Parts: sequence; structure tokens; C-alpha cells
Amino acid sequence: EPEVTQTPSHQVTQMGQEVILRCVPISNHLYFYWYRQILGQKVEFLVSFYNNEISEKSEIFDDQFSVERPDGSNFTLKIRSTKLEDSAMYFCASDFDRGNTEAFFGQGTRLTVV
Amino acid sequence: KNEVEQSPQNLTAQEGEFITINCSYSVGISALHWLQQHPGGGIVSLFMLSSGKKKHGRLIATINIQEKHSSLHITASHPRDSAVYICASDSGGGADGLTFGKGTHLIIQP
Repeated sequence: EPEVTQTPSHQVTQMGQEVILRCVPISNHLYFYWYRQILGQKVEFLVSFYNNEISEKSEIFDDQFSVERPDGSNFTLKIRSTKLEDSAMYFCASDFDRGNTEAFFGQGTRLTVV
Repeated sequence: KNEVEQSPQNLTAQEGEFITINCSYSVGISALHWLQQHPGGGIVSLFMLSSGKKKHGRLIATINIQEKHSSLHITASHPRDSAVYICASDSGGGADGLTFGKGTHLIIQP
């Protein structure tokens, strides 16, 4: 069965450092998403990406965050200067037709900022 | 802004029991998702529905669009069903993406 893969599974970084979280969505999917889940809290939407551009973003997705699809297969989330409060599980997801097909989620990247 | 509420927050039941988890949302949506999250943290999509009812094995999901309410049922529950079950609404556009409930932590005891 096709799956969304995320790397790394766990990343520890120092406050102020840049991190890049990587995702390989399912190959024929057209919509890509990043979500985060702070420990003990609910999952929150960060950003959606379609046709090589951001289609929606939440208030959380400020100038510290950026997304890219550099090569037609990878989908990355960059956090420019990490803060302690960026520590969370970050999930990538993809689907074929927004609102009409199921979304497939990756296993997540646990980001710990120290 | 869409709000998604789930109940109960925690549920412990005996193996074999019929389980119901409820979800209500506050604004019109294009679809509602039921997701399962295991202790390791990974999320698996169980259902996406916009009307009526869907069944997959021992899992059944229903939605009432007029009442803005959905339920997830598990028949003949088993300890391996123990997980967090999350509902998430899709408003079909705007700045919200999927809006998630807080999840229902289900424990099925043998």
C-alpha cells in the first residue's frame, strides 16, 4: 500500500537553529499538508500546498516557517530559527482531491528544541 | 471559526463491548475525517465521509449533516483497538485546513 514517509523520525536541535523536515508524499497526490501536535494537545493545521504554491496557511505558519517542493517528490517544512515552543510532532499528509478523498498521513517527525 | 468537539475524552471498556465516539462541529463542512492515532504517534485515516454512513470491518462511521454530528462505532471491540480516535472537519477551503478535535482516548481491556 502506498504511504507517506517522513524523515527524520526524531530531530533534536538547539534553539535558534534552522531545521528542515522532509516528507515524500504519495506519488499521484496533488495536495500536501503540514500539521503539528504539541505534546498533550490536539493536532493543528499549519499549511496546505497545491500546484507548487501555498493554498492555505494558519496563524501558526508565520515568517519563521516555509515550505517547498524542490524536486517533484519531496515536500519540506523549514523552520528558520527554532524556538522552544516549536517542539512538537510534525505530520505531513497528502491527498489526491481536497475534500473528496482520504488524506494519508506520515508517521511524523518529533522535533525537540533544547 | 469551526470548532470540533468530541466526547467522551476518555473511554475504558471491556473486550467485546460496542463502542460509540461522538463528534460535533459548528459550521458547515465539505467532509469529516475519522483518524486513529496509536501510542507511537502515527496517524491513520479511518474514514472520510460527507453524508450517510460508511463501514469498514468492525468500524462504522455515520454523519448527520443537518445536526452537524458524526459518530464512530466499533463493534466487538478488541484490545488492539486501543488508541486515540480523532475527528477532523474539512471546511473545503479558507485558512483552517482540517480542524481537529482533541481526540478520544480509548482503552479496551481484555
